[in-house]
Amino acid sequence: DTEVTQTPKHLVMGMTNKKSLKCEQHMGHRAMYWYKQKAKKPPELMFVYSYEKLSINESVPSRFSPECPNSSLLNLHLHALQPEDSALYLCASSQDPRTVSGYTFGSGTRLTVV
Amino acid sequence: QKEVEQNSGPLSVPEGAIASLNCTYSDRVSQSFFWYRQYSGKSPELIMSIYSNGDKEDGRFTAQLNKASQYVSLLIRDSQPSDSATYLCAVNILAYGGSQGNLIFGKGTKLSVKP
Repeated sequence: DTEVTQTPKHLVMGMTNKKSLKCEQHMGHRAMYWYKQKAKKPPELMFVYSYEKLSINESVPSRFSPECPNSSLLNLHLHALQPEDSALYLCASSQDPRTVSGYTFGSGTRLTVV
Repeated sequence: QKEVEQNSGPLSVPEGAIASLNCTYSDRVSQSFFWYRQYSGKSPELIMSIYSNGDKEDGRFTAQLNKASQYVSLLIRDSQPSDSATYLCAVNILAYGGSQGNLIFGKGTKLSVKP
């Protein structure tokens, strides 16, 4: 299995809703990442988990809450989002936290906040 | 602030021509460099990685690295309409004494291959 699986592929949520994005990989990768990508912009790093521990938080607002239940799963919990949070949310994994061999990206979740 | 710079384009080439994409980076100690292809509305796909100075070829793609000039490029030979996409240059930045890396992306170059 050489894939990173993200669910759902599309999500529309209201500003008072609570929802979660899920990411799963079975490649034995030990680092996992959340990126946010707005249209015509490069991906922006949000969070990094190394060996299931949060190692980087790029000053992301608290309405985004990451969770890594085990080495294969990564969640992003969403609460009280704003319309400007609408974007493509990308999960990625790498073999080791030093990221020497690059990332494998999931297909992304297209989030729309209404 | 670590930066990765790319010409945003659009770069337009005729079918069968060579497309040349360029990237510069600011972090002198970076050791790993990547090119990702991203079709509109899709996630980035890794197409090339390069770690040493010089050229690395894979099919129609050639990556070139010059660490002294802090410059990475991607050549696409015999360009096809299916190559039309945004190409993202990414540089691995190490933190915490080298124990943790993450990729910093350039803004991407939009390539259009005309039939």
